[in-house]
Amino acid sequence: NAGVTQTPKFRILKIGQSMTLQCTQDMNHNYMYWYRQDPGMGLKLIYYSVGAGITDKGEVPNGYNVSRSTTEDFPLRLELAAPSQTSVYFCASSYSAHRATGGGGYTFGSGTRLTVV
Amino acid sequence: GQQVMQIPQYQHVQEGEDFTTYCNSSTTLSNIQWYKQRPGGHPVFLIQLVKSGEVKKQKRLTFQFGEAKKNSSLHITATQTTDVGTYFCAGERNNDMRFGAGTRLTVKP
Repeated sequence: NAGVTQTPKFRILKIGQSMTLQCTQDMNHNYMYWYRQDPGMGLKLIYYSVGAGITDKGEVPNGYNVSRSTTEDFPLRLELAAPSQTSVYFCASSYSAHRATGGGGYTFGSGTRLTVV
Repeated sequence: GQQVMQIPQYQHVQEGEDFTTYCNSSTTLSNIQWYKQRPGGHPVFLIQLVKSGEVKKQKRLTFQFGEAKKNSSLHITATQTTDVGTYFCAGERNNDMRFGAGTRLTVKP
């Protein structure tokens, strides 16, 4: 049982390049989330999904896109990378209500450290 | 919109001293969660509090949820070097969960 797996762990992008951050979970969680964490800051929600085929915007969705074709996978796409997107990106999943109100909390992946130069 | 403030931003203690971090919301919360993130690691879920005035303990960690469900605290008794990391609260209201900026704890042996 691997939990939440994110790839890659590190990436350097040039301005204007695109990339996809991969996230997969093997816990059969319906709810999945993408967060970004800037230095010394908390986590800000980019996008979330309550199930396969359903996605919605979080606090900071601009510059990102997501898809949820299966329960297991929730990739995050950056189309035109900008320096402001330099951050650590965490994928998370939860079992109960789409914000984990039922208890148990979120399970986070180990993160992707992205630098845009 | 909903805001979750966490203080202090940093705390440096001598091993064996106690530590407390506080979380305050601008609005009444339905529940609050606490996470620990080790340096270079990812957040790990510690606990969720739901009821007004709730107190939960995990070994040396004590978590409280205020009577008005707008604030919470995490208290660590007799800190150890293994307690080093950043502690985040996350408050939820109307299915909108917001993380505090975290309190970074360092422990001097």
